[in-house]
Amino acid sequence: GQNIDQPTEMTATEGAIVQINCTYQTSGFNGLFWYQQHAGEAPTFLSYNVLDGLEEKGRFSSFLSRSKGYSYLLLKELQMKDSASYLCAPRGGGFKTIFGAGTRLFVKA
Amino acid sequence: EAGVAQSPRYKIIEKRQSVAFWCNPISGHATLYWYQQILGQGPKLLIQFQNNGVVDDSQLPKDRFSAERLKGVDSTLKIQPAKLEDSAVYLCASSSHRVQRGEPTDTQYFGPGTRLTVL
Repeated sequence: GQNIDQPTEMTATEGAIVQINCTYQTSGFNGLFWYQQHAGEAPTFLSYNVLDGLEEKGRFSSFLSRSKGYSYLLLKELQMKDSASYLCAPRGGGFKTIFGAGTRLFVKA
Repeated sequence: EAGVAQSPRYKIIEKRQSVAFWCNPISGHATLYWYQQILGQGPKLLIQFQNNGVVDDSQLPKDRFSAERLKGVDSTLKIQPAKLEDSAVYLCASSSHRVQRGEPTDTQYFGPGTRLTVL
């Protein structure tokens, strides 16, 4: 079967670093996306991993371990505007992307 | 470049009524998706089109939901009749096999969504 597991909510302080974990099981694997979704808005693309390792993009980094079915999104120098839901979305067989329930991140001053 | 357009943005109907949503994808995007997102959950794929053909509609409740993309460009999603549990945001997304904006192929770009309330 297919399954995506990520924490429901996290809280962090402005300026800090937060890591959002995601474990997944898919039939086949063709990369993993992370999307950001602010309340009441549509998801927007953040990052993509297809090979093991870390992809860095400014304040955001994403890591993938295919053998462990594990990814994380790392947000540095947190800002209030980073308060949003973060969706882990592995792409399985047939290049079908499946979205997790998302992790709601609250950034406090 | 214009993004994915959707209308209406909000819709309130009573149960057993019908409703239709419209989506216009990014120009040149062959793949179009309709998702249902219930509050507090991730988007759930209802149907995926490649040009005007259906690629995946395994999670579409076909007794009440229908979708079409007749000319391979814009698309409509219809619910008839609506139930209380259909209250959700309906998101349309599109993607391309070509690399765009330096992002991976098949990155999905979402429209603003239609928030449906069924009373």
